[in-house]
Amino acid sequence: KQEVTQIPAALSVPEGENLVLNCSFTDSAIYNLQWFRQDPGKGLTSLLLIQSSQREQTSGRLNASLDKSSGRSTLYIAASQPGDSATYLCAVRRGFGNEKLTFGTGTRLTIIP
Amino acid sequence: KAGVTQTPRYLIKTRGQQVTLSCSPISGHRSVSWYQQTPGQGLQFLFEYFSETQRNKGNFPGRFSGRQFSNSRSEMNVSTLELGDSALYLCASSSDRGNGYTFGSGTRLTVV
Repeated sequence: KQEVTQIPAALSVPEGENLVLNCSFTDSAIYNLQWFRQDPGKGLTSLLLIQSSQREQTSGRLNASLDKSSGRSTLYIAASQPGDSATYLCAVRRGFGNEKLTFGTGTRLTIIP
Repeated sequence: KAGVTQTPRYLIKTRGQQVTLSCSPISGHRSVSWYQQTPGQGLQFLFEYFSETQRNKGNFPGRFSGRQFSNSRSEMNVSTLELGDSALYLCASSSDRGNGYTFGSGTRLTVV
């Protein structure tokens, strides 16, 4: 059974700092991994999708890496802004076609102005 | 293009009642999944539909059911509501080409 862990559960950093969020998974047989953000009471916004054959993906100030063999992914946020405050979730998809997403418990990020 | 649309946004129901939630996926997406999010359990998979067929199901009691129509719109139904069913219900759609999932804004269900 796939288990996904995100550490730390909460993180507060001053505005402007670079930061890294961590995601680990127990079963390396994944199809892809997706990072989301969730604002309080809202749905999920997709940030980055990394296919199992890829090592990293970048979008603006965000960079996500994937190391399948060690069961780890990181989300790097450069030059953090107050608007980055949200809960960040990683999710792994095992197969193509009929498999669910298994989510981590999330990291609640607070950027201090 | 339009995103994933969930209706209604908020619902308040009484224990024992039933409820139906609706999800309209992104145009062209044939896979629709449903998730329940609670503070204690996080995001849990309910079921996934593809071309009107349920392909995968999570570990929820039979009170939770769903269906998908020919236009890919999906509904989920919860019968005999319990207090513990209070949650944010999220729907996600995918093109099923491995391009990831897009989520709707969710339906906040409160059972009193």
